[in-house]
Order: sequence, then structure tokens, then C-alpha cells
Amino acid sequence: AQSVAQPEDQVNVAEGNPLTVKCTYSVSGNPYLFWYVQYPNRGLQFLLKYITGDNLVKGSYGFEAEFNKSQTSFHLKKPSALVSDSALYFCAVRASTSGSARQLTFGSGTQLTVLP
Amino acid sequence: GAVVSQHPSWVICKSGTSVKIECRSLDFQATTMFWYRQFPKQSLMLMATSNEGSKATYEQGVEKDKFLINHASLTLSTLTVTSAHPEDSSFYICSARGPTYNEQFFGPGTRLTVL
Repeated sequence: AQSVAQPEDQVNVAEGNPLTVKCTYSVSGNPYLFWYVQYPNRGLQFLLKYITGDNLVKGSYGFEAEFNKSQTSFHLKKPSALVSDSALYFCAVRASTSGSARQLTFGSGTQLTVLP
Repeated sequence: GAVVSQHPSWVICKSGTSVKIECRSLDFQATTMFWYRQFPKQSLMLMATSNEGSKATYEQGVEKDKFLINHASLTLSTLTVTSAHPEDSSFYICSARGPTYNEQFFGPGTRLTVL
């Protein structure tokens, strides 16, 4: 079974400071990894994904994430946080194989608050 | 990019009535659609997976007779909450995946409130 852990329910950072939202995963075989952001009463917006290739993935709104296979992690980062980045962030994983394992499994979410 | 819409965006209904939520892929053919349920400040829980032209596959604990899913075309899936009760109140989100995509595209969600 595949799983995702987001160990922090809440992350607070000051505007202009770097931010990190942590994610670790467990999956059979090679993982496909995703980060999504959700604003209140809205659906999920895609930020970035790792499929293969470079371990550092750059995505929307200045976000990036680093795939670390040995640590089974895919932490989300941004060099300089904005107040508008305040939202709920979800990490998701699925196996690269076919079949039912292709469905996404989501982490529990991390509420990011950027303080002015 | 791929766009998924949901209708309605919010609905309020009386207990005992049925509510239908539509999920449409606007610019691609979605061979697979997913329905999720999200409670406040919680993660998305997969309810069911539907493939066009076949019966949906429900996750354990999800009542298939209560949550009817129809994926009648490559661009439309519907979720009908039958005989809704207050405990069915939730945020329902659909997503869709085309045959060549590695990622899922999410709809904006539907807020259901059952009085």
C-alpha cells in the first residue's frame, strides 16, 4: 500500500523568509510525486510534480521541491514566502505502474500561514 | 492546460432528497474520473474511481447505493447523493485523468449542505 506523511499540520513563516513544507512517502516501485495547493472552499490547484529526471523540480508561483530517493522525501520549498502563499498544501503519491496503484494517495495536508 | 469543471459549486438541500453533482473535463477526454470527499481541515478521501462506460469502483466503506456514479461519456461523470442526510454534508471534489496524462486535474469542488 502506498502512503504519504506530512508531519506538520501547521507551518508559520514570516513574509520574505524561506519556507519548507515536509513530505515523505511510501510506494512500491518508482513514485510519481505531486504537490497541490488548496484555498478555502476551492478545489486543488496543481503546483508541481516529479516523474523522472532532475531531482529538483520547479513549479508554479516560485515553488520547488526536491525528490530524495534515499530519504523517500519530497519537501516543498520556496526561497521567499508571500502572504498570498497562505493556504493548505497537499503532497500526493502514486506508483508509476499500471492498475489500481495509479490512484493518488494524499497526505493529511499542511496549513501554511505566512505572517506579514 | 486541462480544465475540469463541477456543477453546482454549492448546494443546500433538505434531508431525504437526492442531489446530483456534475464533473466535466472541458478540453480533454477523461478516461478515468475520481470522486473525493473532504471534511473541514482534513485531507481528500477517495470515494470511487470510474472509467468511461464501466461501473465505478468504490473504496471500502463507501455505500455504492447511496453515492451513485455515472461516467457516461469521456467528458462527463456524475455523482448522485441519494436520500441525503446531514452527515453527508461535505465538500465533494472530482478529478479527471486522460489517457496520456500522468497527473490528475481537479475540479473546483462542490459544497453540499444537507439540512
